[in-house]
This record gives sequence, structure tokens and C-alpha cells, in this order.
Amino acid sequence: IAGITQAPTSQILAAGRRMTLRCTQDMRHNAMYWYRQDLGLGLRLIHYSNTAGTTGKGEVPDGYSVSRANTDDFPLTLASAVPSQTSVYFCASSDSLAGETNEQFFGPGTRLTVL
Amino acid sequence: LAKTTQPISMDSYEGQEVNITCSHNNIATNDYITWYQQFPSQGPRFIIQGYKTKVTNEVASLFIPADRKSSTLSLPRVSLSDTAVYYCLVAVYSSASKIIFGSGTRLSIRP
Repeated sequence: IAGITQAPTSQILAAGRRMTLRCTQDMRHNAMYWYRQDLGLGLRLIHYSNTAGTTGKGEVPDGYSVSRANTDDFPLTLASAVPSQTSVYFCASSDSLAGETNEQFFGPGTRLTVL
Repeated sequence: LAKTTQPISMDSYEGQEVNITCSHNNIATNDYITWYQQFPSQGPRFIIQGYKTKVTNEVASLFIPADRKSSTLSLPRVSLSDTAVYYCLVAVYSSASKIIFGSGTRLSIRP
């Protein structure tokens, strides 16, 4: 069982280029999330999805878009990358957005550098 | 939004009990309190979650006073492998847009 996989592991990208970070989970979780973590700081929520076909904005959504065509995949797209988007990106999933417990399972992260 | 305040860093020694306190003065009625652990170059890992009073699992205990404006993560008999960053998170999970991780507490365990 892989849990959550992210690709690529790392990427160096020229400013202005388009980039899609991939995230796949095999736990059949309804909810998925994208976070960014800047050096030495905590995680900030970019976008989330309650279930396939729905998405929502988190704390820092500008410059990013997501889609949720099916349960397993939740790609994050940077339409035109800027240096301030240099960060480590974590994808996460949880069994349900509502309810008493909400343990999120995180992927290994994608380290993105925009030059 | 219920933001959290934690100490930036803490030091302790192997075999000691470590208590990390998180303040969340604006916690809402429906918010749950969750703690995560993060090692370098890894994603966070869930430790424990609670709503009120005390919760205990195989790795930690979580103490929440009646007013719920703070919480304390207790790690019994820490080892070197407990060196990590610990995040306190307060959120009502039916509103994911309100999930906010703080800056975390960097815990260093010494031999």
C-alpha cells in the first residue's frame, strides 16, 4: 500500500512556466488537500477538495488551481510560476472532511524552485 | 479563525516527560484540537486529536482544560527519535478553508 504519492520529488522551474504537481492516493479517502511549506515555517493550506468533483480555496490560493476528476488524483497547477512560489508542497488526504476525527495523511512532498 | 500560539523551541533529555502547550484563545465550539509531528524532509504525521478533557493513545496524551483555550501535548519518556517539529492545529473539519497550521515547536532531545 503506497498511501499518498507525489511527483515529481523536486523540480527547478523557470519563472513564467506552467507546472503541474501530481498527487495520488490509494486509500479511497474523500478529502484531499494541498499545502505549501516555506523554509522554517508551518504549512499553509492552498486548496482542498471535499470529494471528487468539488474543490475549495484555502489560506493561500492565489496563483494555484486544482481539479478533482476522480477520488484518487488531486493535481495542483501553477499556471505561470513566480519565484515566491518556491516552496515544498505537500499533498494530504483524509477519510472525511466532516466528523469527529480528521487524521490527515501526508505525502512525501515536492520541492519546487522557481528561478 | 482560531490561530494558535506555541513556543518556538524546547529542549529536553532522553527519558524525560515533555509537555508542549498551545494557546488557542479564539477556539470555536465546533473546533477540534489536533497535534502533528514533522521530521525534516517529511510530511507531518498525526499524533493525537481531542475535543475536551484528556485523550491518550500509545504515543502521547492530550490535556484540554474546560475552557478549551489551551491544550498540552504530553510525550512520556522521550527519546532522541522524538526530535521533531510539533504542530498544534485547531479546526472544524467541515470547513477545511479554516485549517491553519501554526509555526510549530521545534523539540530537541539530547542524550
